[in-house]
Amino acid sequence: DQQVKQNSPSLSVQEGRISILNCDYTNSMFDYFLWYKKYPAEGPTFLISISSIKDKNEDGRFTVFLNKSAKHLSLHIVPSQPGDSAVYFCAASAYNFNKFYFGSGTKLNVKP
Amino acid sequence: DTGVSQDPRHKITKRGQNVTFRCDPISEHNRLYWYRQTLGQGPEFLTYFQNEAQLEKSRLLSDRFSAERPKGSFSTLEIQRTEQGDSAMYLCASSAQAVSWSEQYFGPGTRLTVT
Repeated sequence: DQQVKQNSPSLSVQEGRISILNCDYTNSMFDYFLWYKKYPAEGPTFLISISSIKDKNEDGRFTVFLNKSAKHLSLHIVPSQPGDSAVYFCAASAYNFNKFYFGSGTKLNVKP
Repeated sequence: DTGVSQDPRHKITKRGQNVTFRCDPISEHNRLYWYRQTLGQGPEFLTYFQNEAQLEKSRLLSDRFSAERPKGSFSTLEIQRTEQGDSAMYLCASSAQAVSWSEQYFGPGTRLTVT
């Protein structure tokens, strides 16, 4: 049962433009949502998170938006840079953080 | 380097053999998680420890899998009687309440190939 879904396996964006990565979830018990970035041959790296009591969280070029009624979140990267090229995973958890559910990832390619 | 380390990085084994992986978390991280990742998928939760106590196990963790964290520091994941379907990347992550339980730090993973 895939409780967190990333329906776009890949995304290609021009350098300097906005990258929008999407994620949907099915479990309304999730309280916390996270985005991870993964380069080849490395483990995922935490990028940004958002609590279910908020609808937006911003950190530099990265902003995560949460739409609880639609069970949808998105990661915006502005402006996109070639170094942002990686696989991005969306993840969700309840507040006890006992278990995390990950999406299947979106491979972002930022073209110079 | 004080990040999460995993050993070995690669393991090739024959079907039916037992394998054991080790994870060394960041020092003083209370929580340690094991995940499995197959090609084209995200990490799938297997189990987690708070200090030495194993508090949650996934249904994915069959009887052939066992994990330990004997002194609340490093952890081992053993797979007995390996099957070809066990071929995957096994990831370990740790977190600490002092930072945030939510912010997991991942190791580079152990890639298992069962032939």
